[in-house]
Amino acid sequence: DADVTQTPRNRITKTGKRIMLECSQTKGHDRMYWYRQDPGLGLRLIYYSFDVKDINKGEISDGYSVSRQAQAKFSLSLESAIPNQTALYFCATSERSRAYGYTFGSGTRLTVV
Amino acid sequence: QKEVEQNSGPLSVPEGAIASLNCTYSDRVSQSFFWYRQYSGKSPELIMSIYSNGDKEDGRFTAQLNKASQYVSLLIRDSQPSDSATYLCAVPQEDTGNQFYFGTGTSLTVIP
Repeated sequence: DADVTQTPRNRITKTGKRIMLECSQTKGHDRMYWYRQDPGLGLRLIYYSFDVKDINKGEISDGYSVSRQAQAKFSLSLESAIPNQTALYFCATSERSRAYGYTFGSGTRLTVV
Repeated sequence: QKEVEQNSGPLSVPEGAIASLNCTYSDRVSQSFFWYRQYSGKSPELIMSIYSNGDKEDGRFTAQLNKASQYVSLLIRDSQPSDSATYLCAVPQEDTGNQFYFGTGTSLTVIP
């Protein structure tokens, strides 16, 4: 099994719908992140969490919310999806030390029509 | 100026050649640097990290760091078609350590 699992892998949804992307990890890492990736724009941070009671906004948090249900679970919600939220979404985890980089999940390709 | 900048490419090299990928960063106090490989539609995979000036070798990969000039590079020797991917440079946010800054990536194609 993958260390960082994202569900669903692909999703097509309609404008205005609420959608949740889920992430779970077996790495035992405290830190979890949600990024979106768009062509030409690279990876941009949406939200991050350093423990269950710690939630922080990233550079592009508008239109998104998150929940850290447990140390191993971090979900991302789009309250009312819009077409420009069409992107590849990645969950990532890391140790406390910045020396080890991220472990990424396999990604969720979201299309909003 | 973005925190991390890369030439987007595409970069094409023949099989067996050396591919050279470059990255510049803006924060002079950055201490650690990471290279990720990302195949199309897949997630980034960590391939190299470097913390000290100079070269660090791992198999066919060599990371080079020059803190004075604020650049880090990745050399891929004996390039193989399986090396065709986008390579991302990443630098942690030094003041708070809350996140990593990523470059937009360089697309590499190795031509058989």
